[in-house]
Amino acid sequence: DAKTTQPTSMDCAEGRAANLPCNHSTISGNEYVYWYRQIHSQGPQYIIHGLKNNETNEMASLIITEDRKSSTLILPHATLRDTAVYYCIVRVPNTGNQFYFGTGTSLTVIP
Amino acid sequence: SQTIHQWPATLVQPVGSPLSLECTVEGTSNPNLYWYRQAAGRGLQLLFYSVGIGQISSEVPQNLSASRPQDRQFILSSKKLLLSDSGFYLCAWSPFRVGEQFFGPGTRLTVL
Repeated sequence: DAKTTQPTSMDCAEGRAANLPCNHSTISGNEYVYWYRQIHSQGPQYIIHGLKNNETNEMASLIITEDRKSSTLILPHATLRDTAVYYCIVRVPNTGNQFYFGTGTSLTVIP
Repeated sequence: SQTIHQWPATLVQPVGSPLSLECTVEGTSNPNLYWYRQAAGRGLQLLFYSVGIGQISSEVPQNLSASRPQDRQFILSSKKLLLSDSGFYLCAWSPFRVGEQFFGPGTRLTVL
């Protein structure tokens, strides 16, 4: 699976959009980009994933650059409950369906 | 709907004692199952995964072992705990061979 690089931490004002970047310059053509988040003392929660096209669901939007070497997770209107560690994972679907979580980005939403 | 259970929620064990953590999934069949560990202030580390009964893949060599005696049951064990085994242990499942994983509530283990 391709390596990902994320900032260690970010702050965002409550009500504003939170834009979390992820670099994956060695991504291959069949690797998907997944985003999870982990609120303190809980298990990770799936947010969204994509291959080439931008994706949107009720939680967030995922913007993948045309060359697929980077992506951005967008939380359109951040709330205090969005304070969490956000993980960007790039992987090829396989039988084991393993996910390898890095250290992620610690997002703090400020009132 | 599917639910995942882990117990106990917290556990304090002395060094050298055995360990058994259990995870069960309801509402699905033939899931992939996973054990992760998160040490204090560290990232999430995949320990074991299973694609079927009796099939265990180990990701990191250590003094832990895993077993899957039934389709929806996954057990993490140790014969002798080390101080370094302290952490937050999470079980997860995925409904297909590909797709997102769903995590249980976790067990916080402290080895003294």
